[in-house]
Amino acid sequence: EAAVTQSPRNKVAVTGGKVTLSCNQTNNHNNMYWYRQDTGHGLRLIHYSYGAGSTEKGDIPDGYKASRPSQENFSLILELATPSQTSVYFCASGDTGGSAETLYFGSGTRLTVL
Amino acid sequence: QQKVQQSPESLIVPEGAMTSLNCTFSDSASQYFAWYRQHSGKAPKALMSIFSNGEKEEGRFTIHLNKASLHFSLHIRDSQPSDSALYLCAVSLSSGSWQLIFGSGTQLTVMP
Repeated sequence: EAAVTQSPRNKVAVTGGKVTLSCNQTNNHNNMYWYRQDTGHGLRLIHYSYGAGSTEKGDIPDGYKASRPSQENFSLILELATPSQTSVYFCASGDTGGSAETLYFGSGTRLTVL
Repeated sequence: QQKVQQSPESLIVPEGAMTSLNCTFSDSASQYFAWYRQHSGKAPKALMSIFSNGEKEEGRFTIHLNKASLHFSLHIRDSQPSDSALYLCAVSLSSGSWQLIFGSGTQLTVMP
């Protein structure tokens, strides 16, 4: 089964601080995604990437940056964290395989911004 | 922009019951429809998906898709306590890319 690993599992940050969430996948999938999950909103797409060196804005990119230095790694960066960014963040990888895309999610990072 | 809505928000059923979860979408050109399941504290995991109108069955789970009514559903036969989870429907964008738009989820509890 596809393996996506996120770190850290839990993070407490202060308002205005910089936060980096990391994601690693060993499936050689081209596409990677960052979502946040909040009660009542399901999963909302923040940034995504089609491969090393590419990053694209999702539906809610404001306040977030992304970095894809390699096929395996995709990071989400909060330069100036705010309490509204308190959430659970999920990374996913996916490969269209010529038809449709199945996403494989990591176990999530719970971020609290005080 | 594509809107994906799920109903009900939460559902409690007895063990052995038939469970029906609903999802509506706004873009009639949507091409791909999927259900993901997320057990408490765990990662979402793909359950099943469909492209064409009609139904698709895998074990106790069945998807129905009606593009004309902008609706698809998941039916669980003989529901089990292990089916208790958050169920997320997802729809592909019609722009040609394959990023999924997720609904807000239905929290299912199956009582023993």
